[in-house]
Amino acid sequence: KAGVTQTPRYLIKTRGQQVTLSCSPISGHRSVSWYQQTPGQGLQFLFEYFSETQRNKGNFPGRFSGRQFSNSRSEMNVSTLELGDSALYLCASSSYHQQFFGPGTRLTVL
Amino acid sequence: EDQVTQSPEALRLQEGESSSLNCSYTVSGLRGLFWYRQDPGKGPEFLFTLYSAGEEKEKERLKATLTKKESFLHITAPKPEDSATYLCAVQGETSGSRLTFGEGTQLTVNP
Repeated sequence: KAGVTQTPRYLIKTRGQQVTLSCSPISGHRSVSWYQQTPGQGLQFLFEYFSETQRNKGNFPGRFSGRQFSNSRSEMNVSTLELGDSALYLCASSSYHQQFFGPGTRLTVL
Repeated sequence: EDQVTQSPEALRLQEGESSSLNCSYTVSGLRGLFWYRQDPGKGPEFLFTLYSAGEEKEKERLKATLTKKESFLHITAPKPEDSATYLCAVQGETSGSRLTFGEGTQLTVNP
């Protein structure tokens, strides 16, 4: 069974730009969660989507948004990038309380 | 608010030297406690889920245990390939799918 895939794996952007990250969950999994990982804050929950609806949201500004498609693939968007948005963005696919993570997208904001 | 504290922050062992990692948590109604392993530059790899106090799970050299306030990850006779950051996370009954993570324990096993 294929795991969670995330694209792209690496991104370099400049302040003020926007970025879109993509996540394909494990086949059959309908829930997708996004997390931000930084050395100072650790892993922090961004939001969760289930059946194309946002079901839960963390404490991040409105610049962070997401969506889910009918095939369960999910995208997250960050607008007006700031230096502090540099992080590893992780997507997790879940079923029956088990969450499996993808390899992440490393975003660097210059 | 769910909280997770892991200790120690870093642990250095000799190959074959057994030890334990600690995860203390507070949560309003535990739905599950999770252990992950993370290698540098990679996503967390799922190890275990524990659901209730007294539960234990094992996988190769790893054994996870759970009480009402903490969980331990016991590593028996570790090998250099066990070197990684070990993350603990909790999911509360009112959290949906949200996991609250600790800062992790960075384990180094020297040959």
